[in-house]
Amino acid sequence: GQQLNQSPQSMFIQEGEDVSMNCTSSSIFNTWLWYKQDPGEGPVLLIALYKAGELTSNGRLTAQFGITRKDSFLNISASIPSDVGIYFCAFTSNTGNQFYFGTGTSLTVIP
Amino acid sequence: DVKVTQSSRYLVKRTGEKVFLECVQDMDHENMFWYRQDPGLGLRLIYFSYDVKMKEKGDIPEGYSVSREKKERFSLILESASTNQTSMYLCASSLLGLAVGWTDTQYFGPGTRLTVL
Repeated sequence: GQQLNQSPQSMFIQEGEDVSMNCTSSSIFNTWLWYKQDPGEGPVLLIALYKAGELTSNGRLTAQFGITRKDSFLNISASIPSDVGIYFCAFTSNTGNQFYFGTGTSLTVIP
Repeated sequence: DVKVTQSSRYLVKRTGEKVFLECVQDMDHENMFWYRQDPGLGLRLIYFSYDVKMKEKGDIPEGYSVSREKKERFSLILESASTNQTSMYLCASSLLGLAVGWTDTQYFGPGTRLTVL
């Protein structure tokens, strides 16, 4: 199967700190997606990236689609307690039914 | 807003029981998916469907089957539940059909936490 590495696996940070997480794949893909899962809920889409090099922001969140199309990062600035949750990257290709999720980054924000 | 609902938030079953997990979406989406989520493993695709009565195996279909008799409803069936099927099950849907590729985003339900004793 596809190799999709997401890191770090977990993070414990102080409120107000910035956060960075990333995903790398062994293959080239056409779309990178970042989801957040609140405790006890299903994942919710945060940001979608469709072009290599694309940099997209959504409030305090910024994500980029790597130039090589094999990686992506998500940054959260000035973290707040409601940022707690699990963040997943996901990617798709346009060659078929390939849709994969990363293993997730669990974020804990300490007030 | 897209709404994906799952029939139960929590379910406890015994080994060998037949289990039905129901998922309904209200936005006329073409595609529907079933995942299981386990700590350290992320989301793994069990089955998906790109049309009524159509189904495709995902990465871990063993021990599961699915049914899609109506466009809005996608059911996951555990024919004979086993303890290793204790997990969080997530249903998702997306708008675009297979013919236009799989780059459309998926919308998730709240999940069903299944415990098999």
